[in-house]
Amino acid sequence: RKEVEQDPGPFNVPEGATVAFNCTYSNSASQSFFWYRQDCRKEPKLLMSVYSSGNEDGRFTAQLNRASQYISLLIRDSKLSDSATYLCVVRPMNTGFQKLVFGTGTRLLVSP
Amino acid sequence: DAMVIQNPRYQVTQFGKPVTLSCSQTLNHNVMYWYQQKSSQAPKLLFHYYDKDFNNEADTPDNFQSRRPNTSFCFLDIRSPGLGDAAMYLCATSGDSYNEQFFGPGTRLTVL
Repeated sequence: RKEVEQDPGPFNVPEGATVAFNCTYSNSASQSFFWYRQDCRKEPKLLMSVYSSGNEDGRFTAQLNRASQYISLLIRDSKLSDSATYLCVVRPMNTGFQKLVFGTGTRLLVSP
Repeated sequence: DAMVIQNPRYQVTQFGKPVTLSCSQTLNHNVMYWYQQKSSQAPKLLFHYYDKDFNNEADTPDNFQSRRPNTSFCFLDIRSPGLGDAAMYLCATSGDSYNEQFFGPGTRLTVL
């Protein structure tokens, strides 16, 4: 079983739609959680950290369910510029304080 | 602007011909990482430096080596590139107390 699993997609949605991605992780000792965004042939960039209480940044909402070991990302009012691959990232506590484990990503395509 | 710089952006080498990729940072971060990312796959950590301390991932082939002569620079040496080493190589940095990793734009390596 992979440490971090995501549905690769693609998720094809029209502009203005709401779309949600889920991610599961296998290491229950994982400490920190993130969503990174990666545009085609570019580097990953941090979109948002995921906190236990859930957090929101504009149109983006991230939630963490430790009991079920999954993380979600909700995008409201999708824009064409949201088209990208969204990487779920986990920092396992017992594998080094700075090591991040990346999922393979979920591809989002927003169409006019 | 503080940033992570990778050179070259595109590198073509021949099978078996050694190649060196470089990374520099102006963030003054003490941790530097090298990742390998193949198409539609997650970035895979090869190794990282915490200051001068080198930390190799258990499954990183011996063909991959790294040097960090000072805080700002880190190099990835591929001693005998094979066709399977063609990938995007991403350098990233992070500070002591920060979870976020800042990525460079990557070097896309082609092996002929």
